[in-house]
Amino acid sequence: TQLLEQSPQFLSIQEGENLTVYCNSSSVFSSLQWYRQEPGEGPVLLVTVVTGGEVKKLKRLTFQFGDARKDSSLHITAAQPGDTGLYLCAGATGNQFYFGTGTSLTVIP
Amino acid sequence: SQTIHQWPATLVQPVGSPLSLECTVEGTSNPNLYWYRQAAGRGLQLLFYSVGIGQISSEVPQNLSASRPQDRQFILSSKKLLLSDSGFYLCAWSGGGFQEKLFFGSGTQLSVL
Repeated sequence: TQLLEQSPQFLSIQEGENLTVYCNSSSVFSSLQWYRQEPGEGPVLLVTVVTGGEVKKLKRLTFQFGDARKDSSLHITAAQPGDTGLYLCAGATGNQFYFGTGTSLTVIP
Repeated sequence: SQTIHQWPATLVQPVGSPLSLECTVEGTSNPNLYWYRQAAGRGLQLLFYSVGIGQISSEVPQNLSASRPQDRQFILSSKKLLLSDSGFYLCAWSGGGFQEKLFFGSGTQLSVL
């Protein structure tokens, strides 16, 4: 089983603030994904990063894949209450997808 | 378009009773299929995955089993549930190959009492 550690585990911020979530592992992955999950629902894919050092932007969200393809970060600019949710990273190797420990984000209006 | 169906949404079962959760995918053929379990507010633990009919790989030895009787059907079972089997169970599919992303069902909240 591959282990991916996310930090922080919990994050509560005011609307308009910036934040960064980290996803770290000692394993190399062929790709890494970020998902967002609402309570009682399945996770929904936000982005997939494939190349070491790759940076992808999705509106106010910026995703980066580490050069060694072992870690990733998610940066949110000017957070909004609609960003509230559980953020999960997942590393893919072969046909398996291993998920991080999760970061629960609350954005206070 | 592809859709994934998972049922039931919630289930309350006594300790020692059997379990059967079903998942079906529509709109694609030969998907890779997955069962995950999630503790409240935490990450997902990979339980089983399948790359084809009758092909099941187990990630964590435990009180559960999985079967894939048809190309787009994935079933999670137990003969006798334990208290520790409680959790949120999620079925997912991927296209395999370079399509490295998962699409999830809506989940089953299982409470074993």
